[in-house]
Amino acid sequence: SQKIEQNSEALNIQEGKTATLTCNYTNYSPAYLQWYRQDPGRGPVFLLLIRENEKEKRKERLKVTFDTTLKQSLFHITASQPADSATYLCALENSGYSTLTFGKGTMLLVSP
Amino acid sequence: DTAVSQTPKYLVTQMGNDKSIKCEQNLGHDTMYWYKQDSKKFLKIMFSYNNKELIINETVPNRFSPKSPDKAHLNLHINSLELGDSAVYFCASSFSQSTGEQYFGPGTRLTVT
Repeated sequence: SQKIEQNSEALNIQEGKTATLTCNYTNYSPAYLQWYRQDPGRGPVFLLLIRENEKEKRKERLKVTFDTTLKQSLFHITASQPADSATYLCALENSGYSTLTFGKGTMLLVSP
Repeated sequence: DTAVSQTPKYLVTQMGNDKSIKCEQNLGHDTMYWYKQDSKKFLKIMFSYNNKELIINETVPNRFSPKSPDKAHLNLHINSLELGDSAVYFCASSFSQSTGEQYFGPGTRLTVT
């Protein structure tokens, strides 16, 4: 069966460090993978999209990698700040269905 | 200006009632979605509409009936509400069916007692 796995335990890091979140998937062949941020009581906010033929994508302090052989994406936030504290969701496109399937998300806590 | 808006923000009702949630997007997008996020924070697609036409219905009970009067609006009507319907419902939109990024509304927290 299809699965998207994100670490369910919260990731606690200190301000200024690099946060790395993992998204693993099985039985998918996504054309692209996305990362979203969700704050408590709010809707998810799109951050980055990476296509199957791209290895890496960057946007300001964010970097996403996509390894279709390992079936894994890594999401990095460099020079993390307390304001980066949120839940981060990865989402895979369902080939041919034009919909997204979301992982359960990983909560990131950045302490000053 | 709010890109994707939903009303109401909170909805508390009793079992067996019928309720509606409204969604509007002012982004000019062709495709709109309804998602359900349960108490475990799992976000799951319910429906997808493209240019007012239903394209995806992810095995949602037929007590849930989406309606799209125009491509900027997608409403969700729920009949005979059950306790298990309690969740946060998110509306979202995207430029087209094949465009990846989606823009989400603020959510409607539905509590069925």
